[in-house]
Amino acid sequence: DAGVTQSPTHLIKTRGQHVTLRCSPISGHKSVSWYQQVLGQGPQFIFQYYEKEERGRGNFPDRFSARQFPNYSSELNVNALLLGDSALYLCASSPGPSSRGQYFGPGTRLTVT
Amino acid sequence: GIQVEQSPPDLILQEGANSTLRCNFSDSVNNLQWFHQNPWGQLINLFYIPSGTKQNGRLSATTVATERYSLLYISSSQTTDSGVYFCAGNNAGNMLTFGGGTRLMVKP
Repeated sequence: DAGVTQSPTHLIKTRGQHVTLRCSPISGHKSVSWYQQVLGQGPQFIFQYYEKEERGRGNFPDRFSARQFPNYSSELNVNALLLGDSALYLCASSPGPSSRGQYFGPGTRLTVT
Repeated sequence: GIQVEQSPPDLILQEGANSTLRCNFSDSVNNLQWFHQNPWGQLINLFYIPSGTKQNGRLSATTVATERYSLLYISSSQTTDSGVYFCAGNNAGNMLTFGGGTRLMVKP
């Protein structure tokens, strides 16, 4: 079975631009969470979606938004990019909203210049 | 939310050595996981262990929930064990809080 997939793998953007990152969960998983990992730190929670509804939001500005589609895939959008948004963005899936363990994708490495 | 602290922050081992990584958390958790992040950034699930002890090959983990800590044991370390080890926990929903990680280098 395929694991969590994310696209693109790498991305370079300029300050002020917009970016969309995509995630497909493990088959049968209905919950998707997004995390940001800045170099040298642990991942930080951004959003959780379950059954297309937002179930949790971390301490991130409104420039960050996300949505989940009927097939349970998800997009993370970031507007007005800042240099500090450069990070590895990780998507995790789990069967339900409060599940025994989450499974992470390979991540999208975003560089903002 | 909970706070998660890991120690040591860095660890260098000779191949074949054993090690113990520690994770302390500030509040009760109902979901405690250990991950290994490889050099390409992939987070690999090692253990889901909110309490008790589990073993998987050369790795084992113990969580003492009442005392709010978890330990990851690596025995007979190999160079492929190098990378960053994270523990993460939550007490509601799926919002995992990660520790700062232990950066392990195993030398041949």
